[in-house]
Amino acid sequence: QVQLQESGPGLVKPSETLSLTCTVSGASISSFYWSWIRQSAGKGLEWIGRIYTSGSTNYNPSLKSRATMSADRSKNQFSLKLRSVTAADTAVYYCARGGGSGQRWFDSWGQGTLVTVSS
Amino acid sequence: SYVLTQPPSLSVAPGQTARITCGGDIIGSKSVHWYQQKPGQAPVVVVYDDRDRPSGIPERFSGFNPGNTATLTITRVEAGDEADYYCQVWDSISDHDYVFGTGTKVTVL
Repeated sequence: QVQLQESGPGLVKPSETLSLTCTVSGASISSFYWSWIRQSAGKGLEWIGRIYTSGSTNYNPSLKSRATMSADRSKNQFSLKLRSVTAADTAVYYCARGGGSGQRWFDSWGQGTLVTVSS
Repeated sequence: SYVLTQPPSLSVAPGQTARITCGGDIIGSKSVHWYQQKPGQAPVVVVYDDRDRPSGIPERFSGFNPGNTATLTITRVEAGDEADYYCQVWDSISDHDYVFGTGTKVTVL
């Protein structure tokens, strides 16, 4: 059974960088696609981006200029950095498996972590 | 960007059938996936690729996507089905955009 767990600060100041890590167990991140998705009251569910085994990444065009994903295969983790955050980036952030060729849906999700952007 | 529209809410009595719609431009040409989300929990996929069910999802959940409106049908509704439901597609035009619907809150009376 695949399990995902998000971790990172719950409070980020405006203009700073949001950093989150997803630790995966029960599956290797060297297989499949892995995505970040967020959910806010104002915009519902929003796909942020995905990373593949090769390390290649793709991002939601609306966030592409601010988002960076990376992977650490030795720890079976992948990460998200979102630069220059504003209050609009306040949301529950989920990591999930899926979002790529052969599986355009998300079959396993972390429990989610609330990130609040505030001074 | 591609937009998926769902009714905000739906009420259904136990034992009856709930039909949740998801509208989008030529949505029949895309594969639609459906998620159930209960309060404080992450979404769970209940139907993928229009009509397939993951293991563990009851047969009471079914999907259909014939044209401009995709539908998730829940038959013999139970109290435990009360949740938010979201549709989702891959926007092949933009190539890198996964789009979610606006969500439907299903209330079991």
